[in-house]
Amino acid sequence: EVQLVQSGAELKKPGESLKISCKGSGYTFIYYWIGWVRQMPGKGLEWMGIIYPGDSDTRYSPSFEGQVTMSVDKSISTAYLEWSRLQASDIATYYCARLIMARGGVMRIEFWGQGTQVTVSS
Amino acid sequence: QSALTQPPSASGSRGQSVTISCTGTSSDVGGYNYVSWYQQHPGEAPRLMIYEVNKRPSGVPDRFSGSKSGNTASLTVSGLQADDEADYYCLSYAGTNRLGVFGGGTKLTVL
Repeated sequence: EVQLVQSGAELKKPGESLKISCKGSGYTFIYYWIGWVRQMPGKGLEWMGIIYPGDSDTRYSPSFEGQVTMSVDKSISTAYLEWSRLQASDIATYYCARLIMARGGVMRIEFWGQGTQVTVSS
Repeated sequence: QSALTQPPSASGSRGQSVTISCTGTSSDVGGYNYVSWYQQHPGEAPRLMIYEVNKRPSGVPDRFSGSKSGNTASLTVSGLQADDEADYYCLSYAGTNRLGVFGGGTKLTVL
């Protein structure tokens, strides 16, 4: 059974750093792109970017370029999303997802992690 | 790339059918047969319901169906049940090396 298990909810202060994780199991982790999707409270789904665990090829949505860093550790089948300085505007639930691609573009999202809720408050 | 256009809300009575639209352009919805639909209950992660316009993953009831005409894709839910009440999002392939485009989401209410 394919599973993406994300790290737990976080409560951080403005300016703090944060790294959340997404561990894949039930499939060969390096063969599938992983995407990160933001959902702000009461809002829709937004692409943050995608990463290929096989070679760490990474593509960011223009809105998130320079704001976050995606990475992977193939040895433990885990993808990460990292902030160096959180802001109140980063309050959201963040989902990782396993993607199906065609010619380098995202066709669909096959499986989703359960989400990680990030709260930023002083 | 602009988000795909979905109606903010839709509703139907139990047992009836409802159709949710997802309108894009010839660069996304109209250009490819790679539209997918996701159901999201409050507090839960989204779930894939339809892919490649009209295909259902294993485990998705056949009450859910998809179609496309021109730049508009549609999700139809037949025989509405209480558990169908959720937010629904469409996603379209948008070409080589593109992330794809989400719709803004539609809140489905079962009366």
